Amino acid sequence: GAVVSQHPSRVICKSGTSVKIECRSLDFQATTMFWYRQFPKQSLMLMATSNEGSKATYEQGVEKDKFLINHASLTLSTLTVTSAHPEDSSFYICSARDRASGTWDTQYFGPGTRLTVL
Amino acid sequence: GQNIDQPTEMTATEGAIVQINCTYQTSGFNGLFWYQQHAGEAPTFLSYNVLDGLEEKGRFSSFLSRSKGYSYLLLKELQMKDSASYLCAVRGGDYKLSFGAGTTVTVRA
Repeated sequence: GAVVSQHPSRVICKSGTSVKIECRSLDFQATTMFWYRQFPKQSLMLMATSNEGSKATYEQGVEKDKFLINHASLTLSTLTVTSAHPEDSSFYICSARDRASGTWDTQYFGPGTRLTVL
Repeated sequence: GQNIDQPTEMTATEGAIVQINCTYQTSGFNGLFWYQQHAGEAPTFLSYNVLDGLEEKGRFSSFLSRSKGYSYLLLKELQMKDSASYLCAVRGGDYKLSFGAGTTVTVRA
């Protein structure tokens, strides 16, 4: 099956620093990748949709200047949390949509990145 | 917007059957997904329904009624490893996934 990787799996940083999270589709091309955030005991909330070669589309309430998304290739999207604060501590999960999957298509999720801001 | 409801918690005994219901109200519909998520891990895909009816996949089955905005996930022959959160997600007209809050299933010996 399709594999999506994320790096790093876990990061702890000081308040005010920036953190970059990578999301890669390992065995398929993903024209669209999605970034989600999940707080403890809550469900996944879509933050933004990342399309290869174009600007990301952010959901309402998500600051695009704080959460920078770059989708430079068909297999890589990055999320940078700029000037991170403790309230940004969360589980960040990316997913990728296989461009070749046609009508039956699902999103394949990465393993997630646990961000802790001190 | 999307409104997706599912029970918060369910408990069942090993070997039993559990049915997790999900009701939804969405703007546009392009399929309903069920995912399993263990604590601290990403969701894993379980099932996909876009037409009415029952989809069976081993011990897991999923049902959809589009006219009622209703789905259920049926877990049979429960095993301890099935203890997890089960997420109902609807893909809207914009092809984005909206998730329910998840149902935590606890399997007891």
